[in-house]
Amino acid sequence: EAGVTQSPTHLIKTRGQQATLRCSPISGHTSVYWYQQALGLGLQFLLWYDEGEERNRGNFPPRFSGRQFPNYSSELNVNALELEDSALYLCASSFGTAYLGEKLFFGSGTQLSVL
Amino acid sequence: GQQLNQSPQSMFIQEGEDVSMNCTSSSIFNTWLWYKQEPGEGPVLLIALYKAGELTSNGRLTAQFGITRKDSFLNISASIPSDVGIYFCAGHRIYNQGGKLIFGQGTELSVKP
Repeated sequence: EAGVTQSPTHLIKTRGQQATLRCSPISGHTSVYWYQQALGLGLQFLLWYDEGEERNRGNFPPRFSGRQFPNYSSELNVNALELEDSALYLCASSFGTAYLGEKLFFGSGTQLSVL
Repeated sequence: GQQLNQSPQSMFIQEGEDVSMNCTSSSIFNTWLWYKQEPGEGPVLLIALYKAGELTSNGRLTAQFGITRKDSFLNISASIPSDVGIYFCAGHRIYNQGGKLIFGQGTELSVKP
């Protein structure tokens, strides 16, 4: 069974551009979560999607947005890129909602570099 | 910001030694998870804990959910070089956190052969 898959693996952009990151959850999982991991830092919660709806977002500006498609895959969009957006962006999925204690399974991430 | 205090931040040990790391919070959590992350990869789930006092093992790894619901620890026995990586604790708080799994800052483990 395939795990959580993310694409692209690496993405290089310049300041002011937009970045689109993609995630496919484990088959049967309906919840998708996005986390940002800046170099040397822990994981910061970005967004949670469940059944196609945004359920919660972390303390990030509106430049960070996304969506979940009917097949439960998800996109994370980052507009007006800033240098400090450079980080590893991790997608995770769960069978139910993390709020109920479901385990999160992570993909390998997209390394975004903003020059 | 982070609400979990994980310690130590880093550990340098000799192969064969036992390792202990812990996570504490001022808030009550209803789930504790421990993950390991290797360079260039996403975190991999090691152990999940759901009840206060629960003690769970996964091979050489043992983790416990603290009785107060405010802490958890992870032990690794007889460490080997492939144990190298960053270990994260993570938890769900009792009250609505909207699906957010909160992570500690990580413990970086180095094992000398």
